[in-house]
Amino acid sequence: AQSVSQHNHHVILSEAASLELGCNYSYGGTVNLFWYVQYPGQHLQLLLKYFSGDPLVKGIKGFEAEFIKSKFSFNLRKPSVQWSDTAEYFCAVNAGRDDKIIFGKGTRLHILP
Amino acid sequence: GAVVSQHPSWVICKSGTSVKIECRSLDFQATTMFWYRQFPKQSLMLMATSNEGSKATYEQGVEKDKFLINHASLTLSTLTVTSAHPEDSSFYICSARDLGSEQYFGPGTRLTVT
Repeated sequence: AQSVSQHNHHVILSEAASLELGCNYSYGGTVNLFWYVQYPGQHLQLLLKYFSGDPLVKGIKGFEAEFIKSKFSFNLRKPSVQWSDTAEYFCAVNAGRDDKIIFGKGTRLHILP
Repeated sequence: GAVVSQHPSWVICKSGTSVKIECRSLDFQATTMFWYRQFPKQSLMLMATSNEGSKATYEQGVEKDKFLINHASLTLSTLTVTSAHPEDSSFYICSARDLGSEQYFGPGTRLTVT
């Protein structure tokens, strides 16, 4: 069965710091990978996704993620965070022909102004 | 982008009653919709996959008789929580998949059972 593991449950950073959130998945075949963000009081929004092609994916708001197949990883990065990036971030995987998207437990990011 | 709405956004009901939550894709047709449950400060847990015109597929551990799902049209799926109990209090989120592979999420419905 598919599973997604996010290593950091709660991250606190100062503005302008660099960010990397870890995500590993378990599934041996073809996967589609996602990062979603949930701002306080708002619904889930797609940050970026990887289906195929260039393993370095650029998303909205300056976020990017790199798919490393050999490590089963899809870490999220941003070179310089802003206070408005305070939110919860979810890594998710959708395997092969399966429609289901399985979510990680989420990482709560708090940016200090 | 594609929009998914949910109604109501917030509902309080008494223990033992049933509550219906609607999920609509506003500007696209969704052959498949998904229902998730999110506990406070936790991740989304997939409850079931709903395909238009057929029975929903429930995830292991989800009671199909308690969480009734109906996908009557290409733009509407409903989740009915039957005989609700306080432990059913949660945030219920639906998503809808368009003809591609992308899923669009609704804003969620907060259910409180007293």
